[in-house]
Amino acid sequence: EPEVTQTPSHQVTQMGQEVILRCVPISNHLYFYWYRQILGQKVEFLVSFYNNEISEKSEIFDDQFSVERPDGSNFTLKIRSTKLEDSAMYFCASSEWARAGSKEETQYFGPGTRLLVL
Amino acid sequence: AQKITQTQPGMFVQEKEAVTLDCTYDTSDPSYGLFWYKQPSSGEMIFLIYQGSYDQQNATEGRYSLNFQKARKSANLVISASQLGDSAMYFCAMREGVDYNTDKLIFGTGTRLQVFP
Repeated sequence: EPEVTQTPSHQVTQMGQEVILRCVPISNHLYFYWYRQILGQKVEFLVSFYNNEISEKSEIFDDQFSVERPDGSNFTLKIRSTKLEDSAMYFCASSEWARAGSKEETQYFGPGTRLLVL
Repeated sequence: AQKITQTQPGMFVQEKEAVTLDCTYDTSDPSYGLFWYKQPSSGEMIFLIYQGSYDQQNATEGRYSLNFQKARKSANLVISASQLGDSAMYFCAMREGVDYNTDKLIFGTGTRLQVFP
């Protein structure tokens, strides 16, 4: 069964360093997302991406964050200068379609990247 | 107001018994999707079941069923014949559609389910 993959599974970085989190969405999916989950808290939406551009972003997704689809399979999240509060689990997700009320809008999540900023 | 409310921080159930995890939602959008995800201790987020706002019947996926009561705005997850491997955190989520035209899933705070032998 197709699945979303993410690398690395864990990343430890120093405050102020840049990190790139990588994702390979399900191959026939058109919509891609990043979410984060700070330890013990709710899952929070960061950004959605469709047709090579950002479709929607949250207040969390400030100028320190960027997303890119560098080729036909990868989808990346870059954090330019990490802060301590960026420590979280970052999930990539993808969906076939985005029309609400149909099963094709289901977002399938990858296993996550656990980021720790020291 | 919270868009997704899960009032049970923790639930216990004995193996082979059924359990219901509660979820209420708040939206004025006529078109929306409701989802349940399972998060084991390893951290991944596993999709379980989907219910569209226009679906006439309750969704079912194997041992999972969604008790969808639209007028009450509730979307409770029922797990039948619980197994030890069902012990995990369970999240209810919603995506609003036509009026809000948003991509994001809004998650509840989750319910931790413990299945005991």
